[in-house]
Amino acid sequence: DQQVKQNSPSLSVQEGRISILNCDYTNSMFDYFLWYKKYPAEGPTFLISISSIKDKNEDGRFTVFLNKSAKHLSLHIVPSQPGDSAVYFCAAMRGTTSGTYKYIFGTGTRLKVLA
Amino acid sequence: DTEVTQTPKHLVMGMTNKKSLKCEQHMGHRAMYWYKQKAKKPPELMFVYSYEKLSINESVPSRFSPECPNSSLLNLHLHALQPEDSALYLCASSHNRARSSYNEQFFGPGTRLTVL
Repeated sequence: DQQVKQNSPSLSVQEGRISILNCDYTNSMFDYFLWYKKYPAEGPTFLISISSIKDKNEDGRFTVFLNKSAKHLSLHIVPSQPGDSAVYFCAAMRGTTSGTYKYIFGTGTRLKVLA
Repeated sequence: DTEVTQTPKHLVMGMTNKKSLKCEQHMGHRAMYWYKQKAKKPPELMFVYSYEKLSINESVPSRFSPECPNSSLLNLHLHALQPEDSALYLCASSHNRARSSYNEQFFGPGTRLTVL
């Protein structure tokens, strides 16, 4: 049961334009949502997060939007740069009965920014 | 220091070998995680340690044995693995709280494991 899904396995965008990466989830109990970027042969790197009680968070070129009624979040990158080319994972975080937190990752979207 | 280090970077082992993966962080994080990632798949959670105690075991086979000797170190002991266990093993750490600016996980570069 994939609780966090990214339905687009890949996306190509021209340099300078907007990249929009999408993520859907099924569980209403998530506390936070996070976006990570991953280069080959490296671990994921945190980009930006949003609390489940917010609908927007912005950090430089990166903005995350959360639509709770649709159980959907998106990451906007403006302007896109060739160095943004990587695999992007969304992740959802929730507490557990053991007092710790679990992070559940989406399937990833490979972004290619064309120069 | 915002780095999570993992050793070794690559490991090739036979099905009868015993080996260990190591992970270290010095950010004062009290939650540490092991993930397994296969090609073109998301990281899958294996274990979570919170304050050096095993908090979550995602029904991982006993041939994987985690250990948290202290708040900075996390080990994964491997024994009698199968070829299908070949994957990238990622370690991560975080503050153990859900609060903005405290909830991100920091990942190590991973250990690429091949089981022959």
